Amino acid sequence: AQSVTQLDSHVSVSEGTPVLLRCNYSSSYSPSLFWYVQHPNKGLQLLLKYTSAATLVKGINGFEAEFKKSETSFHLTKPSAHMSDAAEYFCVVTLVSRTGGTSYGKLTFGQGTILTVHP
Amino acid sequence: ETGVTQTPRHLVMGMTNKKSLKCEQHLGHNAMYWYKQSAKKPLELMFVYNFKEQTENNSVPSRFSPECPNSSHLFLHLHTLQPEDSALYLCASSPPGLLEQYFGPGTRLTVT
Repeated sequence: AQSVTQLDSHVSVSEGTPVLLRCNYSSSYSPSLFWYVQHPNKGLQLLLKYTSAATLVKGINGFEAEFKKSETSFHLTKPSAHMSDAAEYFCVVTLVSRTGGTSYGKLTFGQGTILTVHP
Repeated sequence: ETGVTQTPRHLVMGMTNKKSLKCEQHLGHNAMYWYKQSAKKPLELMFVYNFKEQTENNSVPSRFSPECPNSSHLFLHLHTLQPEDSALYLCASSPPGLLEQYFGPGTRLTVT
């Protein structure tokens, strides 16, 4: 079984200040973890992914996340928030499923964190 | 844009109507997914198709009927829906051997 907990439903920051969105996971296996972002009335966009390589993962738009196995955490950070970062962010843990010789991911989503950026 | 398209983008239907949602990708992806996104609830996986074969049905009511005629197209046929089925329905696809999924913009469904 696997699960994801996003510790904050809302985070509010001022433009130019750091962003921290917190995520804890639970997984029976070595997990693959993602962060997705959803802007209003849009689909989900992949921000970054961790798949057991480097524990510090860099993504698009200046975001990065650090995988900490001892803390079962995968927090998302950005040094300086921009107005365009205002959106909802989802932490995701993936279970690998295999059928017919190919594999695909079964994603389990967190509840989401709404990021508000003030001028 | 991820290359995954969904039509229509908005749909209002009565409880006795029959309608279909369409998802399309020409990215060479083998797996396609339907998700339901309701307010204040995590995204819920509904169905998974891998190379046109259904591999997951997450206890979805039979009033939702998926169809995958080929690896590029995915449909969700709707009939006799309930108001609680109003939600954003998202389609996604993933390439062979990779776990990340690429999402379409969704269909906002309202059942009246």
